[in-house]
Amino acid sequence: GEDVEQSLFLSVREGDSSVINCTYTDSSSTYLYWYKQEPGAGLQLLTYIFSNMDMKQDQRLTVLLNKKDKHLSLRIADTQTGDSAIYFCAETPGNNNDMRFGAGTRLTVKP
Amino acid sequence: DARVTQTPRHKVTEMGQEVTMRCQPILGHNTVFWYRQTMMQGLELLAYFRNRAPLDDSGMPKDRFSAEMPDATLATLKIQPSEPRDSAVYFCASGSRTGRSYGYTFGSGTRLTVV
Repeated sequence: GEDVEQSLFLSVREGDSSVINCTYTDSSSTYLYWYKQEPGAGLQLLTYIFSNMDMKQDQRLTVLLNKKDKHLSLRIADTQTGDSAIYFCAETPGNNNDMRFGAGTRLTVKP
Repeated sequence: DARVTQTPRHKVTEMGQEVTMRCQPILGHNTVFWYRQTMMQGLELLAYFRNRAPLDDSGMPKDRFSAEMPDATLATLKIQPSEPRDSAVYFCASGSRTGRSYGYTFGSGTRLTVV
């Protein structure tokens, strides 16, 4: 199976909170990332968390990391229509230099 | 803002033709990646370079794909001969290890269609 797994779709109403979940398998991963991809564009780094942290907050974004369960989540507060995009979870395995991505979660925000 | 520049943005070619995609990484970044994105496979790592040296190209079909960094300002990905199954969006990303993170900056991609 994939190293990084995400659900493929999430639909929320404008103003609600969105929670996108991700599981990874490499316990030695040092950094975990969330990227955003808008239609026709490349991936944009949203935020990252170091493996010795369990939470990081950046304005409307909150990242939670549960190392025991190898679970990462991204919460977007007060979701806006401009947040509609594909969100990718990614890890950098401890012994490698590459970056492994999940399949991406397509977030749709309905007015 | 510094950005990764990829050319061309779009390419339509006939099966069997050679395709060359170019990437200009951000100045000072010493790591360059090539990814391919399709609906079926998602993001696949094709190859990456550190200080212009290839570190891993195991994700790349060796018989038709080649990746090079002739200098620090240019990375190329070539497909020869191209096939319809190569149709995808090809992304280049660059980065460097900093004291706090190891995130990468992506280019806007080259959308390749092989007919």
